[in-house]
Amino acid sequence: NTVMTQSPTSMFTSVGDRVTMSCKASQNVGINVGWYQQKTGQSPKRLIYWASNRDTGVPDRFTGSGSGTDFTLTISNMQAEDPAIYYCLQHNSYPWTFGGGTKLELK
Amino acid sequence: QIQLVQSGPELKKPGESVKISCKASGYTFTDYAMHWVKQAPGKGLKWMGWINTYTGKPTYADDFKGRFVFSLEASASTANLQISNLKNEDTATYFCARSKGYSGWYVMDAWGQGASVTVSS
Repeated sequence: NTVMTQSPTSMFTSVGDRVTMSCKASQNVGINVGWYQQKTGQSPKRLIYWASNRDTGVPDRFTGSGSGTDFTLTISNMQAEDPAIYYCLQHNSYPWTFGGGTKLELK
Repeated sequence: QIQLVQSGPELKKPGESVKISCKASGYTFTDYAMHWVKQAPGKGLKWMGWINTYTGKPTYADDFKGRFVFSLEASASTANLQISNLKNEDTATYFCARSKGYSGWYVMDAWGQGASVTVSS
């Protein structure tokens, strides 16, 4: 199975900061990675598909990049509504696997 | 608009069974696969598997083979998850989520609101 390892597991940030989080795959998954945002008590919301394609309506401060085994989600200008847990998901091979999540909080 | 509406919370005893439904609307049901995802309290997301809504064929992740059954009521655009012989560790929120087609090329784009299952004696 492909293991997706996210780092850091949690981070504190401030409004206006640039935030970068990582997702590393245990084997090559091409660009078959999605990023999801889950706020407390809500279902996950897809932000990015195929590693770098932003979903309609997602603010352009969210950027996904990477291919192969190394992927990054960047928030260029942290906003008050962005605290959440962010998950990566590989869909290159079954079973699909999620990373453990990065919890993003405001200082 | 696209909606996946799941059934309400369930409280069950160990050994009982539960059936969770996920009713789709706003799109052609058979154009999208339906996935199931488990989230235990305070934990991350775990992919359980998916069902081909055109053929009805289910695919299960290894940890969800045996007591878990994905099924359809295609005429009602509804996908179901049944869990038998419930255990305490089945306590979780279960999400349904759709993905386009059946090739695996597309990742889930819309999710249900989640269905809470609590197993307690």
